[in-house]
Amino acid sequence: QSVLTQPPSASGTPGQRVTISCSGSSSNIGSNYVYWYQQLPGTAPKLLIYRNNQRPSGVPDRFSGSKSGTSASLAISGLRSEDEADYYCAAWDDSPHVVFGGGTKLTVL
Amino acid sequence: QVQLQESGPGLVKPSETLSLTCAVSGYSISSGYYWGWIRQPPGKGLEWIGSIYHSGSTYYNPSLKSRVTISVDTSKNQFSLKLSSVTAADTAVYYCARGLTREWFDPWGQGTLVTVSS
Repeated sequence: QSVLTQPPSASGTPGQRVTISCSGSSSNIGSNYVYWYQQLPGTAPKLLIYRNNQRPSGVPDRFSGSKSGTSASLAISGLRSEDEADYYCAAWDDSPHVVFGGGTKLTVL
Repeated sequence: QVQLQESGPGLVKPSETLSLTCAVSGYSISSGYYWGWIRQPPGKGLEWIGSIYHSGSTYYNPSLKSRVTISVDTSKNQFSLKLSSVTAADTAVYYCARGLTREWFDPWGQGTLVTVSS
């Protein structure tokens, strides 16, 4: 069981907006930044969002992150077939160690 | 452009020690940042193993701490992972990554599959 809770799957049709949630606690999301990683099939994870809502250069503005209390969300607007991937949230936990969500498999129908 | 490349045996026997190295190019490890190891069992999610700061301070996953050692070799611009007393549960793709903070990993290496089997 992962410390951060994500839905195992999500789906949408091209052009739709999809959100993926990530739920934690006061010791991780509630007091630290959230990061999102995208893992395309057969490849290594790639940084998608840092410090809750910041996009690295090269990441389309269709991807956005938000955080409220002990939960965070990743939103993908204008869904495209190439967005089909696994998405992971991560945060520092004050225990102390890095915690990941279990991952959400996004399917573009 | 920073690049990382994992290397090491792809097969390790149960009870033995898994040893991997991550070669870094395009950036000097001694200049800063954290350097981390993350693993992913086949078909499963990501698990943080631990990180080392450029100064040598280490941070380990509490669930693995008793078996893990991460070290840096600045002369070779690489860092290493040792995981002792491995079992089949340690079979995974092992990734190395630069950490701008302990949980901000960018970029990642391509990963290397390590299978624990006799």
